[in-house]
Amino acid sequence: GAVVSQHPSWVICKSGTSVKIECRSLDFQATTMFWYRQFPKQSLMLMATSNEGSKATYEQGVEKDKFLINHASLTLSTLTVTSAHPEDSSFYICSARDRAFSTDTQYFGPGTRLTVL
Amino acid sequence: QKEVEQNSGPLSVPEGAIASLNCTYSDRGSQSFFWYRQYSGKSPELIMFIYSNGDKEDGRFTAQLNKASQYVSLLIRDSQPSDSATYLCAVSSGNTPLVFGKGTRLSVIA
Repeated sequence: GAVVSQHPSWVICKSGTSVKIECRSLDFQATTMFWYRQFPKQSLMLMATSNEGSKATYEQGVEKDKFLINHASLTLSTLTVTSAHPEDSSFYICSARDRAFSTDTQYFGPGTRLTVL
Repeated sequence: QKEVEQNSGPLSVPEGAIASLNCTYSDRGSQSFFWYRQYSGKSPELIMFIYSNGDKEDGRFTAQLNKASQYVSLLIRDSQPSDSATYLCAVSSGNTPLVFGKGTRLSVIA
């Protein structure tokens, strides 16, 4: 149980294009999903918290117009990197919190490696 | 600001030994405590969670919590080379995102 998937697992795109990353909870309903970014040899950085049916809450310094988050259902959240640039190249990881349990356990997806040329 | 502190390591232990990973946190109101393992290039994987003071054992892993000292640890018995990874301590104070430490890199030497 508690499986989270991400798609795609890796993507290479040209500078200026937009990239959409999907995060799905496969066997549970997620009240809340989280988006993280991790640069090589650095720690996880929380970008935003996404609640189903409401606007995402972005961490300080994260541009909400550049990183569009949509949480349309209890099993799907998407992150769109708009007008991507080489400095956006990173490992993007989502996590989800299980609605059925009154715990704060977050289950992580496998991550999406984005390379912007 | 809520903080979670871990030694960055690397912590090197010989195969078969006990690895001891430590974590301290600043928010005395923290309620839930988690250990994740992250292999290089992969996403974090949940190992254990603990809510109550004392020890919680799961196979070769034991989590220890001391809320008075604001301290949580992870012991790995009979360490294997496959345990070599970065171990992340995470803390929650309720319906908020987990606060992660920067992680301790563990190296188990065969």
